[in-house]
Amino acid sequence: EDKVVQSPLSLVVHEGDTVTLNCSYEVTNFRSLLWYKQEKKAPTFLFMLTSSGIEKKSGRLSSILDKKELFSILNITATQTGDSAIYLCAVEQNTGNQFYFGTGTSLTVIP
Amino acid sequence: DAGITQSPRHKVTETGTPVTLRCHQTENHRYMYWYRQDPGHGLRLIHYSYGVKDTDKGEVSDGYSVSRSKTEDFLLTLESATSSQTSVYFCAISERLYEQYFGPGTRLTVT
Repeated sequence: EDKVVQSPLSLVVHEGDTVTLNCSYEVTNFRSLLWYKQEKKAPTFLFMLTSSGIEKKSGRLSSILDKKELFSILNITATQTGDSAIYLCAVEQNTGNQFYFGTGTSLTVIP
Repeated sequence: DAGITQSPRHKVTETGTPVTLRCHQTENHRYMYWYRQDPGHGLRLIHYSYGVKDTDKGEVSDGYSVSRSKTEDFLLTLESATSSQTSVYFCAISERLYEQYFGPGTRLTVT
């Protein structure tokens, strides 16, 4: 059964901390892994990863994929209260263009 | 923002009544998806479409049907709504090899 597992389920940190969010997957016919940020509305796209070992970076956020060990991490440095959200990981299949989502990590950044 | 709208945005209905949710896109993307999002389950795929009149089931398709008669519209129908279908419904679109973009969501309450 195809599945995506995220950890931790929730996390509370102080502003300025660095956090690492994890996503592991067991999905047949893997094409890509995606990270989304969801506040009180629709998920918004952060990164798409298709190749192992190549870091994607956007400001204080970065992500990397390990296709051998079947996982990805999302790092957020110098966290701010605006980073508080649910972070979703999704894996796209090569066949049928389906996406499988994890249950998300709820991040709360307190001042 | 990608041109995706959903209607209605909020709906309250009674058990046993039919309900249709509409997703409309202006991006001419080939793939369209319906998800439901519930606490503890993340986003789960209901149905998706890979072209006009081409649809397939996702992991939680029971009790739902879809139709896509035009590229821009993807309808989700609950033939006879049940309380277990109370949820937030998201539509998403994508093109092959690109990320998904999500609509604003529809909050459906079945009483």
